Amino acid sequence: KAGVTQTPRYLIKTRGQQVTLSCSPISGHRSVSWYQQTPGQGLQFLFEYFSETQRNKGNFPGRFSGRQFSNSRSEMNVSTLELGDSALYLCASSLREGSPDYGYTFGSGTRLTVV
Amino acid sequence: AQSVAQPEDQVNVAEGNPLTVKCTYSVSGNPYLFWYVQYPNRGLQFLLKYITGDNLVKGSYGFEAEFNKSQTSFHLKKPSALVSDSALYFCAVSAPNDYKLSFGAGTTVTVRA
Repeated sequence: KAGVTQTPRYLIKTRGQQVTLSCSPISGHRSVSWYQQTPGQGLQFLFEYFSETQRNKGNFPGRFSGRQFSNSRSEMNVSTLELGDSALYLCASSLREGSPDYGYTFGSGTRLTVV
Repeated sequence: AQSVAQPEDQVNVAEGNPLTVKCTYSVSGNPYLFWYVQYPNRGLQFLLKYITGDNLVKGSYGFEAEFNKSQTSFHLKKPSALVSDSALYFCAVSAPNDYKLSFGAGTTVTVRA
C-alpha cells in the first residue's frame, strides 16, 4: 500500500511569508503528527491530530498551526516565516493505540528553506 | 515529561563486527519504544518497536533490540554490520495516550569496509 505522502518535497520562501505543507497518511490511518528536524534542535514534536481533533501540541509559537480533514489528510501552516523556521518537516501517520500494527510511519519530509 | 538519551554521537565499527547503538529513556508509565534510521535527505525509516510482550524485539534488516525495564534501556543491536548500515539512528519513546514521540539526539553509525 502507499506510504505517507508529503508535498511539496522542497520549498524556498522569503522571511515574512507564510507556507502550507501537506501530508496524506497511509490509508486507514487516522492519526497524523508533525515534527520539525533541525541540526541544532533535532527532532521536535509539533502537533498530532486524530479524526480532525488536535490531541497534543508541542512547544512551538502560535505561528505554527495545523488541521486535519475528514479524509485524514493534514496540513500545517507556518505564518510570518523566520530564518529559524528552515528545517525538514516530517509527517507521520499511525493507527490508534492498541491496534496490532500500532506505530508511526514517516513520510520523506518537506525541506523548507527561508531566505 | 518523557525523554530519550543516546549517549554516543558516533559509533564506528568494521564491517562484519557487531553493532550496538545505545538508548535510555524516561517516561511515566509503560513506554512505547521505537528505533528509526535516516539516510541523508530522507525521512525516518522504521526499524523496530517495543509495545508489550517479549523483551527481545526483532526488526528489519537484521536489527534487534532488548527492552530492559530496570535499566530503562532499549539498545539497538546487529550481529554483523554492513557498510550499507552507515546512517543516522534515532531512538524514540512515547507513552500511552500521549500521542507523540520524543526522540534522542541521534547516533551516526559508520561501518568501514
